[in-house]
Amino acid sequence: QTVVTQEPSLTVSPGGTVTLTCASSTGAVTSGYYPNWFQQKPGQPPRALIYNINNKHSWTPARFSGSLLGGKAALTLSGVQPEDEADYYCLLYYGGAWVFGGGTKLTVL
Amino acid sequence: QVQLVQSGAEVKKPGASVKVSCKASGYTFTSYDINWVRQATGQGLEWMGWMNPNTGNTGYAQRFQGRVTMTRDTSISTAYMELSSLRSEDGAVYYCVRKEMGLSGRVGDYWGQGSLVTVSS
Repeated sequence: QTVVTQEPSLTVSPGGTVTLTCASSTGAVTSGYYPNWFQQKPGQPPRALIYNINNKHSWTPARFSGSLLGGKAALTLSGVQPEDEADYYCLLYYGGAWVFGGGTKLTVL
Repeated sequence: QVQLVQSGAEVKKPGASVKVSCKASGYTFTSYDINWVRQATGQGLEWMGWMNPNTGNTGYAQRFQGRVTMTRDTSISTAYMELSSLRSEDGAVYYCVRKEMGLSGRVGDYWGQGSLVTVSS
């Protein structure tokens, strides 16, 4: 069974920079996994942030960026704002199926 | 404007089936895949499967194989997800999610509002 692993929780100060990662139990995450990232705030459906590693949606703030880093997919927030406090999920492709990571709860404190 | 409007909350008994609908508007229904994702209360997101509304082709997560069926009615731009043999752990919010066709396409640029399914005897 494929497992996608994210940090369960991270804390960052306002104005700081934080990187969330997304690892695959099958090995290094590459472009063929087409990583996507989503943000979810309480009581709301998720909102797409990044698709296909590093492509932003039209509504994605410039401070969010995606990359591949050390064999993982990564989401970096630069200049964190209080409103960035949320759960973040990555999504990876496995030959016909997609698998979500367990999510990272980001606290801005 | 693009909208995905889902059917309302359902309460089902264990062993029953549930069918959730997702009505699309504001775009050409057959030009984007519909995926289904669920989320149990306080838990993470779980991908269930996808459907190509143009061809009717589907693909399901292995753990739902044999229990889930995704269909569509193109005449009313509506996708359906039916889950059978319900158990208590199937209680969750179910979302329909739009995806650009092709592997590198945008996933989840639009989500339905979610349909709460409760499984209780």
